[in-house]
This record gives sequence, C-alpha cells and structure tokens, in this order.
Amino acid sequence: QKEVEQNSGPLSVPEGAIASLNCTYSDRGSQSFFWYRQYSGKSPELIMFIYSNGDKEDGRFTAQLNKASQYVSLLIRDSQPSDSATYLCAVFPPARQLTFGSGTQLTVLP
Amino acid sequence: DAGVIQSPRHEVTEMGQEVTLRCKPISGHNSLFWYRQTMMRGLELLIYFNNNVPIDDSGMPEDRFSAKMPNASFSTLKIQPSEPRDSAVYFCASSLDRGQVSPLHFGNGTRLTVT
Repeated sequence: QKEVEQNSGPLSVPEGAIASLNCTYSDRGSQSFFWYRQYSGKSPELIMFIYSNGDKEDGRFTAQLNKASQYVSLLIRDSQPSDSATYLCAVFPPARQLTFGSGTQLTVLP
Repeated sequence: DAGVIQSPRHEVTEMGQEVTLRCKPISGHNSLFWYRQTMMRGLELLIYFNNNVPIDDSGMPEDRFSAKMPNASFSTLKIQPSEPRDSAVYFCASSLDRGQVSPLHFGNGTRLTVT
C-alpha cells in the first residue's frame, strides 16, 4: 500500500463547477497535510495546508481532513481554466519526511 | 527573494558519464531537499539536509548517487555513473523547517536525460 494515494485522473470539470480531489494516507499518526499545485513543466507550489479535523477555507479552496478515515480532500469552487494543473497531496508521517502522492491531473473546460 | 536556483535547467548525457546538479537555496532557509519526479513514481524524496547536515538519505537509490551541502548557500547532487533509468526531473527545495509548518519552496528543476 502506498503511503499517500490519489486518483491519477484525469479529472475534467466544466468552468464554474466544483472540483473535488481526494487523497488517502496509510500512517494513522500523520499530523500535517498539504496540497501542492503543479502546472505542466513547472515546479510544485503550496496552496493549502490543514492540521485539524474539519474544513479549512481559503478563497475558492477548501481543504477537508478526516483523520479517523485517513483521508484529506481539496474542493475548488467556481473552477477556472487557470486551475488546470496537477494537484499533489502531501502528508507528514511521524518521524519521517514530507511524502507526496502521485498527483491528480485536473482539467477545467471553458 | 530570488527563490531556489537550480542549474542546469536541462542536461543530456550519455550512459556512464558523471552528472552534477546544483542548487542554491533561499537565504535563511535551514532545510534543503532533493526530489526526483517521474511519471511512473511521482515525486520522491532523495535526501534531506538540515543546517547543512544530511539527516535522511534513505531515498537515495544506490551508491551511484551522492549529495553534498558544503555551506548554507550551495548543494550538489552527483550521479556517477549515470544510467538511462536516472532520466527524470530533479527538484531542489528549501524551507525554514522540515516542511511540517513552513512550505517547501521548489526550484525550477533540472530535466536530466541519459541516453
């Protein structure tokens, strides 16, 4: 079992819709969770982090964490074509280093 | 803030040759990471330095890979001898901490092709 699992996609949504990206992790002791965005040919950049169960909102982005079920998700409201990118879920397992999932490719159709 | 600077941007070399990738972290960041990204395996951590000291090199694939950080402003990743399966994008990243609170800032990457 991979430490951090994501559906590779591609995920396509129409402009203005809500995009939902999901991630599961294997180490129940993990405490910190991150979403990085990577445009094609570019480097990853942090867009959200969450430490506590529940929702965390930042503009059009909402991160959701459920430690009991070991999943973290990212919702993008009012999706725009500029949101088209690969979204990487990253988790900090205890006594280990930041571990990335393989990413979900999102395409927002105009 | 110039960001994390990596060189070269692209490297094409023949199997068996030595390859050296370079990284200048953001000034003031005390953590430096080398990652490798491929379609098959995604983004993999190779090695992590804290205050210039290698802390975790469990991701270094084999003895052909070595990394150094002689000072706070410079790090190298060396592959000797290189093999076609080393072809990937290599990212250097730096952070104020291990990345647990502060974000990782990535360089633009070095695309390595070994023929």
